[in-house]
Amino acid sequence: QSVLTQPPSVSGAPGQRVTISCTGSNSNIGGSYDAHWYQQLPGTAPKLLIYGNSNRPSGVPDRFSGSKSGTSASLAITGLQAEDEADYYCQSFDSSLSTWVFGGGTKLTVL
Amino acid sequence: EVQLVESGGGLVKPGGSLRLSCAASGFTFSKDWMSWVRQAPGKGLEWVGRIKSKTDGGTTDYAAPVKGRFTISRDDSKNTLYLQMNSLKTEDTAEYYCSQYYYGYLQHWGQGTLVTVSS
Repeated sequence: QSVLTQPPSVSGAPGQRVTISCTGSNSNIGGSYDAHWYQQLPGTAPKLLIYGNSNRPSGVPDRFSGSKSGTSASLAITGLQAEDEADYYCQSFDSSLSTWVFGGGTKLTVL
Repeated sequence: EVQLVESGGGLVKPGGSLRLSCAASGFTFSKDWMSWVRQAPGKGLEWVGRIKSKTDGGTTDYAAPVKGRFTISRDDSKNTLYLQMNSLKTEDTAEYYCSQYYYGYLQHWGQGTLVTVSS
């Protein structure tokens, strides 16, 4: 059971918009700790997608955006493309556990 | 270009030991904090631990499942990060990734090295 809760799967057609939620608590996202997002394409290592809730590293398309509200964070992907099919993970720090934590991951399927 | 290359994975029996290495290039390794993250087959990501730069004290933090069994160290003269794993259990079977830690997130990742713990 992950400290950060993500839906196991989401799907969308090419060109559509999808969102992935990451629900935490007051000891992590709600406790003013930032949320970060990673993309893991099939058979590859994870890659940083969003840091500090809403910032994109250089090279990440602006189709990807992040936000945070209360104890939750969200990743939005607009203009869905086949190459976006991957697993997505959120991550934060948890003060109760005194460790960094990941969500369980969300598999995005492009229909 | 930042490159992180892990090595040292393999098959080991329960109770055995293994040392993973991560060769870093493309950035000033000695200044950066580093982390290890693992991923069991078909499962999600799990934080293993982190080491600060020597300038910031060089201290380490570990996830509860590995605390007391795993040790993270670094050799800044060789730009290399290590993960010494002792008393290995079958549940330690995973792909192990080293990563560049930066203000709470993992900026760059290696390609991973697979550790299989089985009799």
